[in-house]
Amino acid sequence: DTGVSQDPRHKITKRGQNVTFRCDPISEHNRLYWYRQTLGQGPEFLTYFQNEAQLEKSRLLSDRFSAERPKGSFSTLEIQRTEQGDSAMYLCASSFRGKIEAFFGQGTRLTVV
Amino acid sequence: TQLLEQSPQFLSIQEGENLTVYCNSSSVFSSLQWYRQEPGEGPVLLVTVVTGGEVKKLKRLTFQFGDARKDSSLHITAAQPGDTGLYLCAGSYNTDKLIFGTGTRLQVFP
Repeated sequence: DTGVSQDPRHKITKRGQNVTFRCDPISEHNRLYWYRQTLGQGPEFLTYFQNEAQLEKSRLLSDRFSAERPKGSFSTLEIQRTEQGDSAMYLCASSFRGKIEAFFGQGTRLTVV
Repeated sequence: TQLLEQSPQFLSIQEGENLTVYCNSSSVFSSLQWYRQEPGEGPVLLVTVVTGGEVKKLKRLTFQFGDARKDSSLHITAAQPGDTGLYLCAGSYNTDKLIFGTGTRLQVFP
């Protein structure tokens, strides 16, 4: 059991650069979620997929953010023209449709300087 | 808008003490989960409660879901330094996204 895997674990980027994060869910989990967590806060929902279909996007997900899950397996989250306010922990979780429990990866910590 | 409020925000206690963390909402949830998160890591699922009034025990941890499914509590008996971490409650209206609480940061000193 490999669990949810996220890459990279840490990313430091200059303001204005684009970054892309990857999430590999638990195999056979058809739902995949992205959350963002800032220091001292609980995670906030960004978007989720069921297989390859993106079913919901939060208003937090501005036009600079895009997420894909092209083959219904791994997912990528891209942030274009990063801003300092994008600095946060980006968490990925997966679950099996119809099941309540969601399992989280270790997160990608983004620092925009 | 934070729909789930946790209290207290911070808790610092000595090893062996008991504590209770509360998670309150004005909304009714179909289920509620509790997670523990350590610095630099993702949240780890502790328990899921789905029935109003349900009580679940996990070793020294006791979780309760309110009768109206709007609130929950986590009670830790005889806390140990290994219990240190950020405790998060998260509600769900169905099996879609989770709405997380504000978190309770627990520090247990030896």
